[in-house]
Amino acid sequence: NAGVTQTPKFQVLKTGQSMTLQCAQDMNHEYMSWYRQDPGMGLRLIHYSVGAGITDQGEVPNGYNVSRSTTEDFPLRLLSAAPSQTSVYFCASSELAGGYEQYFGPGTRLTVT
Amino acid sequence: AQKITQTQPGMFVQEKEAVTLDCTYDTSDPSYGLFWYKQPSSGEMIFLIYQGSYDQQNATEGRYSLNFQKARKSANLVISASQLGDSAMYFCAMRHFNAGNNRKLIWGLGTSLAVNP
Repeated sequence: NAGVTQTPKFQVLKTGQSMTLQCAQDMNHEYMSWYRQDPGMGLRLIHYSVGAGITDQGEVPNGYNVSRSTTEDFPLRLLSAAPSQTSVYFCASSELAGGYEQYFGPGTRLTVT
Repeated sequence: AQKITQTQPGMFVQEKEAVTLDCTYDTSDPSYGLFWYKQPSSGEMIFLIYQGSYDQQNATEGRYSLNFQKARKSANLVISASQLGDSAMYFCAMRHFNAGNNRKLIWGLGTSLAVNP
């Protein structure tokens, strides 16, 4: 049981490049989400999904796209990277109903130069 | 507005002593849950404890307990018998359970705890 996996762990991009951060979970969780964590800012929700084919925006969605074609996978796409997107990105998943904890991936540290 | 406030940016505690990390929240929704997570310097987010808004008793998990005061809208984390490995950032978060709030987690800015030997 791998839990939530994220790849890559580290990435350096040049301004304007695009890339996809991968996230997968093997717990059959309906709810998946992407956060970014910046110093002094806590965790901010980028996008989330309540099931395959259903996604919605969080607090800071600009510059990011998501899709959810399967229950297991929830990739985050950076369309045209900007230095302001330098951050640590966490993917998380949980059961949809009730007070279940969110399980987090190990994070991806992204630097945009 | 839905909000989590952690007023202590940094805390120090002596090893083996107890420490309380403060968390207050703001919501008008009667159905919600409160979570505490630990983030050590290695970066991973570790779930510690959960309290539901309708739970009658305060949650406990080993050395962690949650001092839930619903009328005051506070959900403080108490760590008993602190250990050096407790040095980390601690985040309080709230989740609403009605579909209108889409079950998103709302996060505080965290408290950095340092345990002194």
